[in-house]
Parts: sequence; C-alpha cells; structure tokens
Amino acid sequence: KAGVTQTPRYLIKTRGQQVTLSCSPISGHRSVSWYQQTPGQGLQFLFEYFSETQRNKGNFPGRFSGRQFSNSRSEMNVSTLELGDSALYLCASSGSGNTIYFGEGSWLTVV
Amino acid sequence: ELKVEQNPLFLSMQEGKNYTIYCNYSTTSDRLYWYRQDPGKSLESLFVLLSNGAVKQEGRLMASLDTKARLSTLHITAAVHDLSATYFCAVSPLSDDMRFGAGTRLTVKP
Repeated sequence: KAGVTQTPRYLIKTRGQQVTLSCSPISGHRSVSWYQQTPGQGLQFLFEYFSETQRNKGNFPGRFSGRQFSNSRSEMNVSTLELGDSALYLCASSGSGNTIYFGEGSWLTVV
Repeated sequence: ELKVEQNPLFLSMQEGKNYTIYCNYSTTSDRLYWYRQDPGKSLESLFVLLSNGAVKQEGRLMASLDTKARLSTLHITAAVHDLSATYFCAVSPLSDDMRFGAGTRLTVKP
C-alpha cells in the first residue's frame, strides 16, 4: 500500500515568486492536512481538506492557500514568497481509522 | 488558544535507563498522538490514544493518557541508541487539525 506522496521533495525559489506543492494521500483516504515545520516555530497546522472542502484553517496569511481535488489529491500554494517561508511542508492523510500518516515532505528554500 | 507543552525539550540518557516524556495540553481533545521524527525525515506515527486511561505499548515505548489532567506520558524503558530521535505529542480538538508540542530531542548514549 503506497504511502502519502509529496512532490517536489526539494525546491529553491526566489523571494516574490510563488510555489505549488502537491500531495497524493493514501488510497482511500479522503482527509488531507498540511503542516509547516521550521526550527523556530515548530510544527504548525496550515489547513485541512475533506472531500474537496476546507474544514479547518490555521493562523497563516492569505498568501497560503490550498485545494483538494475529487481524487483526494491536494495542492497548496504560497504566493509572494518571503524568506521566512523556508520550511519543510508536510502533508498528512487519514481515512476511517484514527492514525494520521505523514508524507516525506517538501523542503522549500526561499532565497 | 490551545497550547501543547512537552517536557523536557532535550533529554540525554544512557542506554539501559528509563525515562518519561510529559505532554500537557490546555483544552479538551478527543485524540492524543505521539510521533517520532528522525533528522531530515518525516513523522512516524507511534501511538494514538483515544480515551481516559488509555495505555499503549510498542517495544520499549509506552504511552498513556489522563484526559482529566490533560496529560499524556511517553515512557521509555531500557533505552537503546536506536531510540535517539525527536518525539512529538499532538492533540486534535477538531477533526484532523493537530496541534503539536515543541518536541523532545532524545539522545541515547552508550
């Protein structure tokens, strides 16, 4: 059974650019959530989607957005990148059970 | 605002010793998670605790939950070097919206 797949794994962007990260959840999982991990702020919740609807949103500026498609795949977008957006972005998926599974993450560096 | 506090944040212990990591949270939550993260890696699920008094064990790790005290513990028995990692607890007051503690960086020395 394939795990949570995130692409790209590593990327470097310039300030002011925008970036799109993709997440394919475990087959059959309909809930996808996104987290940002930085050394200073730790793990912070970005948003959660279920059946194409955003259920919850964390305390991030509007530059951070996301969506979920009918096949449960999800994307998150960050516009007008800032240096402080450099982080590991983690996607997690869950199904009918209680365990939440994380992908390997996308390492974003903003220069 | 929901707060999740872990302590200690750093833990250095010798192989063969026992220790406990504590996780306090500030509001009602129906689920408590423990994850492990190795350097440069993602999060690996260790335990999901669902009810007051729940206890789960896997190898040298045992987790428990006291919802009345809003406290979870992760107990390490006879530590080995392979347990060196960062351990996070998290609670989810709403669906899969998890709020994480700061993490406990565990180093097990021979």
